[in-house]
Amino acid sequence: GAGVSQSPSNKVTEKGKDVELRCDPISGHTALYWYRQRLGQGLEFLIYFQGNSAPDKSGLPSDRFSAERTGESVSTLTIQRTQQEDSAVYLCASSMTSGGSYEQYFGPGTRLTVT
Amino acid sequence: AQKVTQAQTEISVVEKEDVTLDCVYETRDTTYYLFWYKQPPSGELVFLIRRNSFDEQNEISGRYSWNFQKSTSSFNFTITASQVVDSAVYFCALRDNYGQNFVFGPGTRLSVLP
Repeated sequence: GAGVSQSPSNKVTEKGKDVELRCDPISGHTALYWYRQRLGQGLEFLIYFQGNSAPDKSGLPSDRFSAERTGESVSTLTIQRTQQEDSAVYLCASSMTSGGSYEQYFGPGTRLTVT
Repeated sequence: AQKVTQAQTEISVVEKEDVTLDCVYETRDTTYYLFWYKQPPSGELVFLIRRNSFDEQNEISGRYSWNFQKSTSSFNFTITASQVVDSAVYFCALRDNYGQNFVFGPGTRLSVLP
């Protein structure tokens, strides 16, 4: 697979439970981004990784949200003690950071529903 | 701070009409990159075009064309002879030179009616 993949595609969880969302970027893409998109809304930036480092965590909505990236590859977004307002589609994107091709390629998203 | 404005929230046109989607951006960087993405009803964002700040040439790709004007900080997108399959939400985005700031506009929902 050449594209960005995300798992699970759908997640239904009860309020208060923790969830982990996974993103597999395109091989060789050093930059990785997480966004949240509520129904009918635009993209809300959450966090950016350059390699395994996250220089910008300002978009994370609260301390219940955390993310990590290992091996300059897979990234996991964790939401602890989920709330109903966390319901949204979580999108992951990756891009190059050299060579001029800086466009982001998006995964299909994980639709999270908190009941 | 970087900012992207797409003033048109929703546009409806009849098939075969031309339509222009506006994008205005703000940045203090001298080197930056602009993008357009399409999000069809299926939900997956599709990359359409990238434009570097030092390249103001307009671009045409089939029925799509883009007009980049640094003087007005605009990067507008025109669809000629629109088709129903063009119905989607279109996002304009701005990236700084280092990749840390990748800002999306709020999107314009385009409905092309048969």
